[in-house]
Amino acid sequence: NAGVTQTPKFQVLKTGQSMTLQCAQDMNHEYMSWYRQDPGMGLRLIHYSVGAGITDQGEVPNGYNVSRSTTEDFPLRLLSAAPSQTSVYFCASSPGGTSGLEQYFGPGTRLTVT
Amino acid sequence: DAKTTQPPSMDCAEGRAANLPCNHSTISGNEYVYWYRQIHSQGPQYIIHGLKNNETNEMASLIITEDRKSSTLILPHATLRDTAVYYCIVRPRGGSNYKLTFGKGTLLTVNP
Repeated sequence: NAGVTQTPKFQVLKTGQSMTLQCAQDMNHEYMSWYRQDPGMGLRLIHYSVGAGITDQGEVPNGYNVSRSTTEDFPLRLLSAAPSQTSVYFCASSPGGTSGLEQYFGPGTRLTVT
Repeated sequence: DAKTTQPPSMDCAEGRAANLPCNHSTISGNEYVYWYRQIHSQGPQYIIHGLKNNETNEMASLIITEDRKSSTLILPHATLRDTAVYYCIVRPRGGSNYKLTFGKGTLLTVNP
């Protein structure tokens, strides 16, 4: 299994541009989520999904959209990039249910908005 | 979720056991203890979890005290690659699966 994969690894955007961060998992996990991590800070939840077709907002959803059309994929869209969105973005998946609470993270996407 | 307290940093000699403590004195009966680590510039990595019994896997052992108010993560033979920030997280069973609240964790430095 490849686990959780994210693309691209690095991205530089100009203010106002839009882009999509890709996340895929091959473990047939129900739960997927997006976090951002800023220097010296912990992870903050952006959006999450508990299954295909179901998404919901996390702590810091503004400026981001998600969709979950398949179990495997959970893309994160930046609608109009702002410098405040410069961060490292991590995607995670989890089996779900009462016995599958551990989360598996991707390697991250490092985004810089100028 | 119950709060956890961890030392900010620890050192360990390569090849020796690393014992990382975590205090979770307000843990409730349905909450599990989870350990993750984050190696510099990488995504967090799940290590192990437990409810009340000691647990062991290929990465580490988790020792939970009988009153469940504290736990210790043991890396039996630490290597330089184990240098990372280790996070102890307490979460309810079947709770908000989609969110993890990472505190500041313990920076473990494994020295040659």
